[in-house]
Amino acid sequence: GNSVTQMEGPVTLSEEAFLTINCTYTATGYPSLFWYVQYPGEGLQLLLKATKADDKGSNKGFEATYRKETTSFHLEKGSVQVSDSAVYFCALTTDANTGNQFYFGTGTSLTVIP
Amino acid sequence: DTGVSQDPRHKITKRGQNVTFRCDPISEHNRLYWYRQTLGQGPEFLTYFQNEAQLEKSRLLSDRFSAERPKGSFSTLEIQRTEQGDSAMYLCASSLVAGGFANYGYTFGSGTRLTVV
Repeated sequence: GNSVTQMEGPVTLSEEAFLTINCTYTATGYPSLFWYVQYPGEGLQLLLKATKADDKGSNKGFEATYRKETTSFHLEKGSVQVSDSAVYFCALTTDANTGNQFYFGTGTSLTVIP
Repeated sequence: DTGVSQDPRHKITKRGQNVTFRCDPISEHNRLYWYRQTLGQGPEFLTYFQNEAQLEKSRLLSDRFSAERPKGSFSTLEIQRTEQGDSAMYLCASSLVAGGFANYGYTFGSGTRLTVV
C-alpha cells in the first residue's frame, strides 16, 4: 500500500539553524512527493513537490530531493526563521486515474526561537 | 477566484445532532476531495468526486457520513448522529485532472473544525 513516515516532533531550533525533517515512503506505482506546511488555524499550503526520481523541489529556501533508491524525500533549509514555525507534512500521491488522493505523514511541528 | 472556500470555519455541536459542511472548489476544477484531520495527525482521505460523480469512498466514511456534489460545483458533507470521535478538522481540496495523468492545481481549503460536545 501507500504510506508516509516522517520524523517525530516537535523540533525546536534557534533562528538561522539548519533544518532537516526526514521523510520516507512506500508506494504502489510511481508516486509524486510533496511537502505541505500548515500554520496555526489554517489549511494546508503546498511548499514544494517533485514528480520523478532525482528531481529537487525548492521554494522559500526549502529543498527536498526525490530519492528512489532510499525511498526518501527529506526536507532541508539552510537557515530557518521565526516565521518558519509551523507543522510540516510529507505526502505522496500516485496515478491520477486511481483517484489521486494524498497520503500524509503525521506531521512534524517546528518551532523557531529568536 | 479566491481558492477553495469552506463554510463554516468552526462548528460546535452536541452529540447526536446532525451537521453539514459546505465546500466551494476553484471554479474550473473537476475533482473535489474531502479529508479528515484529527489532532496531531495528518489528513486522511474520505472521498472524492469527479464532476458530480462520487468515485471513491474510504472505509473511514461510515454510514453516518454522506457527501454530495449535485451539480458538479460545490459539495456538502453531512454527518448524522454525531459522536465525540467525529471531532476533527474536515478539509476540502480540489484539482483539475485532464488527459488522464495530468493533475493541476491541487489546492486545499482552510477547513471546518468540528467539535462534538
